[in-house]
Amino acid sequence: DSGVTQTPKHLITATGQRVTLRCSPRSGDLSVYWYQQSLDQGLQFLIQYYNGEERAKGNILERFSAQQFPDLHSELNLSSLELGDSALYFCASSPAPGTFYNEQFFGPGTRLTVL
Amino acid sequence: AQTVTQSQPEMSVQEAETVTLSCTYDTSENNYYLFWYKQPPSRQMILVIRQEAYKQQNATENRFSVNFQKAAKSFSLKISDSQLGDTAMYFCAFMKLQYNFNKFYFGSGTKLNVKP
Repeated sequence: DSGVTQTPKHLITATGQRVTLRCSPRSGDLSVYWYQQSLDQGLQFLIQYYNGEERAKGNILERFSAQQFPDLHSELNLSSLELGDSALYFCASSPAPGTFYNEQFFGPGTRLTVL
Repeated sequence: AQTVTQSQPEMSVQEAETVTLSCTYDTSENNYYLFWYKQPPSRQMILVIRQEAYKQQNATENRFSVNFQKAAKSFSLKISDSQLGDTAMYFCAFMKLQYNFNKFYFGSGTKLNVKP
């Protein structure tokens, strides 16, 4: 158990709908990262937050948005869903720089299926 | 910009044999960290091993070890005595400090199949 929690585990929805994925980082971790992974593909970096502020953006579609709240949990909002958005969405967290264990800790992922 | 390259999309190894997965990266930084993550069929991402760039000694975790060549910007993972449970996708990752937060870059992954 990495200490990163993601809800829901599975999500099935229809095209055109909007969903929200939630992530709670490990206690004390300030950075949150979101990744998209389609079947048998690599990790596509979407966005990174640090202590509530957006720090880096990857290949995130305009239909997707995210935020990190004061309690450090994060939400990824996906709207106008398309079949191609079906994927496993990972959240990861990492501690502040200077911490010994500074790797990313990954949650179990949310499996999104768009029908 | 930093890039991480894993040139072997897929590899196979016999059980109990040794296999080496390659990773190269491109950076102008001097201080950074490197990681190998494993993603088994369950798709959970699991940290296998980490290496600090300022350490010359190669990291080792049980059957997993790395060959870190800083000048060549190479970071390969060696798995000794391969086991069926090592079957997974393996991702190489690079981390640097950017301003006051960590920034990560992942390779495209190597799919390892351990055969009985």
